[in-house]
Amino acid sequence: GDSVTQMEGPVTLSEEAFLTINCTYTATGYPSLFWYVQYPGEGLQLLLKATKADDKGSNKGFEATYRKETTSFHLEKGSVQVSDSAVYFCALTGNTGGFKTIFGAGTRLFVKA
Amino acid sequence: DAGVIQSPRHEVTEMGQEVTLRCKPISGHDYLFWYRQTMMRGLELLIYFNNNVPIDDSGMPEDRFSAKMPNASFSTLKIQPSEPRDSAVYFCASSSSRGGYSQPQHFGDGTRLSIL
Repeated sequence: GDSVTQMEGPVTLSEEAFLTINCTYTATGYPSLFWYVQYPGEGLQLLLKATKADDKGSNKGFEATYRKETTSFHLEKGSVQVSDSAVYFCALTGNTGGFKTIFGAGTRLFVKA
Repeated sequence: DAGVIQSPRHEVTEMGQEVTLRCKPISGHDYLFWYRQTMMRGLELLIYFNNNVPIDDSGMPEDRFSAKMPNASFSTLKIQPSEPRDSAVYFCASSSSRGGYSQPQHFGDGTRLSIL
């Protein structure tokens, strides 16, 4: 079945460092891909999405590109801030699961001042 | 616009008691999902509905758990009897099928449940 694998955390960075969180997926068709972010005490919220191959999603300085050839959707940010400390989830919808979303395990990010 | 609303935000009760969690999805959304999140098991999908009909309840841990969606604007997740291992944060999320698979899920802020 469909699955999402993302790098284990926690990831600890200093403010203004470059961020990459790796995400790969397994799906036979053409799912939509998402990154969600969860701040402490809150529910998950959409950070960005891409719906077809080579699409780039972007929001709040974060970017991710839908790579069909490598089945990847890595999250990047050029300069992280303390306020980016959160848990980040890679996810996919569509393909065999229909409207059910398959989530990765989440990656916790700590940003130090 | 109002987001997904869950109640209560926190619930502390004793083992054996019945617990009812409530969710109001975003108006116009036709999918509703219930999740459980713990440190050990991460985010787990318990059950989801489409147009108020349960589609997949394979994630419901056991018969003590039940969920209903009597109308498009309300859903409940009930645990009876509750056990300490049910302690977790329970999230409700909704989404719309309009626009296809590109539509994200919208999450509530969760109910933090503690069973003593």
